[in-house]
Order: sequence, then C-alpha cells, then structure tokens
Amino acid sequence: NAGVTQTPKFQVLKTGQSMTLQCAQDMNHEYMSWYRQDPGMGLRLIHYSVGAGITDQGEVPNGYNVSRSTTEDFPLRLLSAAPSQTSVYFCASSYSLRGNEQFFGPGTRLTVL
Amino acid sequence: AQSVAQPEDQVNVAEGNPLTVKCTYSVSGNPYLFWYVQYPNRGLQFLLKYITGDNLVKGSYGFEAEFNKSQTSFHLKKPSALVSDSALYFCAVRADNTDKLIFGTGTRLQVFP
Repeated sequence: NAGVTQTPKFQVLKTGQSMTLQCAQDMNHEYMSWYRQDPGMGLRLIHYSVGAGITDQGEVPNGYNVSRSTTEDFPLRLLSAAPSQTSVYFCASSYSLRGNEQFFGPGTRLTVL
Repeated sequence: AQSVAQPEDQVNVAEGNPLTVKCTYSVSGNPYLFWYVQYPNRGLQFLLKYITGDNLVKGSYGFEAEFNKSQTSFHLKKPSALVSDSALYFCAVRADNTDKLIFGTGTRLQVFP
C-alpha cells in the first residue's frame, strides 16, 4: 500500500492564480480531510469528507473548495491564491470517524507570492 | 464547540529523565483523544488514542497517556526520554457527536544528551 499520497510536494504561486492539491489513498478509507499547518497555530481543519459525494467545512474553509467523487481521491482547490494561504497542507484519511486514527500524507508546501 | 490546549510551546528534558507533554480539551460530548508526533519535514504519525475504558493508554515508542475526565486532560508521558524523541507533538480531540478532529497548537520536545 502506498498509504496517503500528495502531489505536488512543493508549489509556488502568484497571487490570484488557482491550483489543485491532489490527495489519494489506497486503503479504502471512508473519511478524508485536509489541514493546513502554520507556525504557532498547529493544524487547522479546512474541509473533510465522510464518504464519496459528501463534504463539509472545517475550521478555515474560506478560499478552498473540495470534492469527493471517488473513495480514493480528495482534491483541494485554491480558487484565487492569496499570500495568507502560504502554508504546509496535509491530507489525512481514516477508516471511519469512530475513534480511528488518521493516516497523514507527506504534505505539500505552498508559497503564494 | 470543541477545542484543545497545549499550554507549553516547548518542553526540555535530559535524556533518561521522565517527560510530560500537557494537553487539556473541551468538548460537549464524550471525547476521543489522540496524540501524534511530527518529525522534521514529515507528516504526522499516530502515537496513541483514548476511546473508552482504561484511563491509562499505552502507545508506540514507550509513550503513554492518562485520561483524566474531571480535569479534562490527556497528558503524554514517557518514563525515560531518548534524544530521538525530540520532535513536535500534537494532541487532538473529537467529540463523539461530531465529525471534526481538532488539533492543538503543538509542543516541541527537546531531549538533551
């Protein structure tokens, strides 16, 4: 199993550009989520999904869109990048919500100029 | 609303000494509690969790944590620290009536030889 994979590893954008961060898992996990990690702020939940076709907002959803058309994939879209979105982004997945630990991807480091 | 507090940005301990990393939480329902560790330039790795049952939970790499309902705490402990334990540690909580896993701001553990 590859586990949770994320692409790209690094990305530099200009303000106003759009892009999609890819996340995939091969463990047949129902639950997937996106976090951003910023110094001094820990991990903050952006969006999450409890299964294919179902998504919901986390703590900091503004400026991001997600979709879950398959169990395996959970892409995160930045609609119009802003410098405040400079961060490290982590995707995670787990079997279900009921007390199961999440498996994290290696992260994408995004810089918005 | 649910929240997690890690009151110490950094904990310093000498190798061989016991260590404690503190975590307190606030949830409206019963808590599911987790500890994760992050090594430099890596994603998060699961250490241990409390779902129900025994208040003392044992996890990976000799770590353990004690759930204290009256103090709403879930402190991470290890009897004898290793230099290789130096990393960033995150506490996380999810109430049993929500879909969101919320993380604390993280505590950097430095173990000195």
